[in-house]
Amino acid sequence: GAVVSQHPSWVICKSGTSVKIECRSLDFQATTMFWYRQFPKQSLMLMATSNEGSKATYEQGVEKDKFLINHASLTLSTLTVTSAHPEDSSFYICSARPPIGQETQYFGPGTRLLVL
Amino acid sequence: KQEVTQIPAALSVPEGENLVLNCSFTDSAIYNLQWFRQDPGKGLTSLLLIQSSQREQTSGRLNASLDKSSGRSTLYIAASQPGDSATYLCAVPPPGSARQLTFGSGTQLTVLP
Repeated sequence: GAVVSQHPSWVICKSGTSVKIECRSLDFQATTMFWYRQFPKQSLMLMATSNEGSKATYEQGVEKDKFLINHASLTLSTLTVTSAHPEDSSFYICSARPPIGQETQYFGPGTRLLVL
Repeated sequence: KQEVTQIPAALSVPEGENLVLNCSFTDSAIYNLQWFRQDPGKGLTSLLLIQSSQREQTSGRLNASLDKSSGRSTLYIAASQPGDSATYLCAVPPPGSARQLTFGSGTQLTVLP
C-alpha cells in the first residue's frame, strides 16, 4: 500500500520557538494532504487541508498565522507551529490520498510535539 | 455538520471472543465509511472502506457493515486476539466531500490473553 512518512516523530521545544513538521508521500503524488491534531484520549480533529501550489484551507477555530502550511510539491507538505505554547502540545498526523480512483486515505505515523 | 459517535468508548474482552464495535453518524449523505486502527502513539492503519452503495466489507477476521438510512456502521471482529488490542476509529467524509474525514472518538479495545 501507499506510504506516508512524517518527520520528526518526536519533538520537544521551548515555549516561543517554532517547529516544522514534514509530511511526505513516498510512492505516490498527492495534490491534497490533510493535517489532523489529536489530544490525549481524544479523536483526530482536522486542522487544515493542504493544497499543492495554493493556500491551505483551515478549519474553523484554527489560526492560520499560527499553523503555517506549505505544500511546495506533490509529495511534500509542511506544518510549522509558530511561537509554540504548552497548549500546542499534541499529536499531529498528516494524511494523503492517492490520485482519483483510490478513496482510502493513507496516514503518516504522527509527530508528537511537547512544548515546555 | 456531520457528527460521528462510537460506542462503547472502551471494551475489554477475553481472547477468543467475537465482538462488535458501533459507529453512528448524523448525516446519511456520505460517500463512504472507513474503519481505522490506531496503536498507542502511532498513526492510523486503514482496515476497511465501505462505499455508500455497499452493505458490508470483509477482510480476514474483520467484517464491517453499513446501514446508511439509519446512520450506523458496525465492525465485527471474530475470534479476537491480544494483538487486536488498539483503538478503533470510524470516519466519514462530510456531506458534499469525498476527501477529508470526520472521525469518531474511537473505541479502545483490550483483548486479554
